[in-house]
Amino acid sequence: GAVVSQHPSWVICKSGTSVKIECRSLDFQATTMFWYRQFPKQSLMLMATSNEGSKATYEQGVEKDKFLINHASLTLSTLTVTSAHPEDSSFYICSANSGRVQTQYFGPGTRLLVL
Amino acid sequence: AQSVTQLDSHVSVSEGTPVLLRCNYSSSYSPSLFWYVQHPNKGLQLLLKYTSAATLVKGINGFEAEFKKSETSFHLTKPSAHMSDAAEYFCVVAGRYNAGNNRKLIWGLGTSLAVNP
Repeated sequence: GAVVSQHPSWVICKSGTSVKIECRSLDFQATTMFWYRQFPKQSLMLMATSNEGSKATYEQGVEKDKFLINHASLTLSTLTVTSAHPEDSSFYICSANSGRVQTQYFGPGTRLLVL
Repeated sequence: AQSVTQLDSHVSVSEGTPVLLRCNYSSSYSPSLFWYVQHPNKGLQLLLKYTSAATLVKGINGFEAEFKKSETSFHLTKPSAHMSDAAEYFCVVAGRYNAGNNRKLIWGLGTSLAVNP
């Protein structure tokens, strides 16, 4: 149980385009989802926390207009990187937990390369 | 404030020998601590967690960790390394609950474990 999926696993796009990444909890209802960014050989950096049906809470330094997060249902959250630039190239990871269980379950990640 | 320090960025062991990955934490209250493993091109997997129950926590794949309050440590161990254990390991401490009843995870920088044949 507690499986989280992400789609796509890999995306390559041109500079200036927008990219949407989906995060789904497959076998549980995720009241909260988290979006992280991981640079090569580094730890995870929390970008934002989203609760179903409400606006995401962004960490300091993360541009909310650049990284749009939607958590419209208890099993799906999306991260849209708008007008992507090469510096947005990174590994994006989502995680989810249910209301009663604070353990976060992680998706496999999405590797974004902006040319 | 909570913080976590992984004392070794890289550990190399021979197959069949013990593994020790060190982690120290700082917390102003009783912490919840986790170890996650990240294999190349795979998602993060929870190895084990400590949430104020037994101080010796057993996890998956033969790993265990001992919470030592006096030493503010939560080292990860395994008696005998396997080739498949080669991965990146993260020690994590959970922060306080926020207004949304969520806890922010505070991550260590990771320890890369290499297992030599």
